[in-house]
Amino acid sequence: EPEVTQTPSHQVTQMGQEVILRCVPISNHLYFYWYRQILGQKVEFLVSFYNNEISEKSEIFDDQFSVERPDGSNFTLKIRSTKLEDSAMYFCASGNGRAYNEQFFGPGTRLTVL
Amino acid sequence: AQKVTQAQTEISVVEKEDVTLDCVYETRDTTYYLFWYKQPPSGELVFLIRRNSFDEQNEISGRYSWNFQKSTSSFNFTITASQVVDSAVYFCALSEAAAGNKLTFGGGTRVLVKP
Repeated sequence: EPEVTQTPSHQVTQMGQEVILRCVPISNHLYFYWYRQILGQKVEFLVSFYNNEISEKSEIFDDQFSVERPDGSNFTLKIRSTKLEDSAMYFCASGNGRAYNEQFFGPGTRLTVL
Repeated sequence: AQKVTQAQTEISVVEKEDVTLDCVYETRDTTYYLFWYKQPPSGELVFLIRRNSFDEQNEISGRYSWNFQKSTSSFNFTITASQVVDSAVYFCALSEAAAGNKLTFGGGTRVLVKP
């Protein structure tokens, strides 16, 4: 069964460094998402992406964040200059926009900013 | 704007007891979708059940059942005869109907099932 994959599973970085989190969505899906979960808290929407552009973003998704679908298979989230408070689990999801708007989640990337 | 509230932060039960998780939602849309996800200690999000706003029929799937009531904007979830492996955080989520819409999650309820 097709699944969403994410790499790396865990990334440790120094404050101020740039990080790129990678996701491979399910191949025939059209909608792509990033969510964030700070440890012990709820899952929060960051951004959705459709037809090669951002369709919606939350107030969390400020100028430090960007997303890209560089090659038709990968979907990346870049954080330009990481802060301590960016430490979280980042989930990628994809969907086909059909029944139930169902989204399929990847296993997550745990980002630790020191 | 959409909002999901899970008032219970943590529930502790003994194995074989039933567990009911409460979820209350807010949305202006008349068409929307509701979900329950499980997050075990390993951290991934596991899809459990879904419902659309036009179908208030309550169902049972194995040890899981749900009670959807539009009149009270509630979508409660029950685990029957709980097992230790059910220990996890459970999230209720809402998506409004337009294609590609985001999921809005509740704060989660931690369930601890003791042997």
